[in-house]
Amino acid sequence: SYELTQPPSVSVSPGQTARITCSADALPKQYAYWYQQKPGQAPVLVLYKDSERPSEIPERFSGSSSGTTVTLTISGVQAEDEADYYCQSADSSGAWVFGGGTKLTVL
Amino acid sequence: EVQLVQSGAEVKKPGESLKISCKGSGYRFTSYWIGWVRQMPGKGLEWMGIIYPGDSDTRYSPSFQGQVTISADKSVNTAYLQWRSLKASDTAIYYCATALIVVRGQGYFDYWGQGTLVTVSS
Repeated sequence: SYELTQPPSVSVSPGQTARITCSADALPKQYAYWYQQKPGQAPVLVLYKDSERPSEIPERFSGSSSGTTVTLTISGVQAEDEADYYCQSADSSGAWVFGGGTKLTVL
Repeated sequence: EVQLVQSGAEVKKPGESLKISCKGSGYRFTSYWIGWVRQMPGKGLEWMGIIYPGDSDTRYSPSFQGQVTISADKSVNTAYLQWRSLKASDTAIYYCATALIVVRGQGYFDYWGQGTLVTVSS
């Protein structure tokens, strides 16, 4: 089955840059989407179509893609960015898949 | 303003049936897909399936096909997630969300409900 692999955790200090990767285990790679989930809250979309940002999401959130790996980059991390981040894509049959999630800790 | 309001928390026994709901407002309900996502305690997100309320076209994750039923009633702008016989392993938070299809059936969730906690315990 199609899988998306994320690192379980990433830690950065405030003001630094956090990079969270999401690797697909098969080609072709579809678009990737990213969600932020804070404890006790519903997920929030932060990026769509690899690098597009909803209007309400701060500019410090950006995305990139290379081969079968996509990366969520948070520049100038703030304490409020501490959350779980999930990538999401779809396999060739159209079934949507989430990555396992990455816990971002702001030191 | 788009809003998805889900039904309240449920406590059920194994073997019981359940139907939870998700009422949409602030947009044309029949024109957007709605999906369901499971989050087991302390775990990640799992895509269960999506439905297009306009014609009830439904797509399931292979992991959930036959285990749940997704439906929608466009007369009351509400989507549903239903179980015929619950198991303890169905204990989770279930989120509904509007789904935008980008290309070839793939897409993403943009607006989310607040989640419904389902607890299945004897």
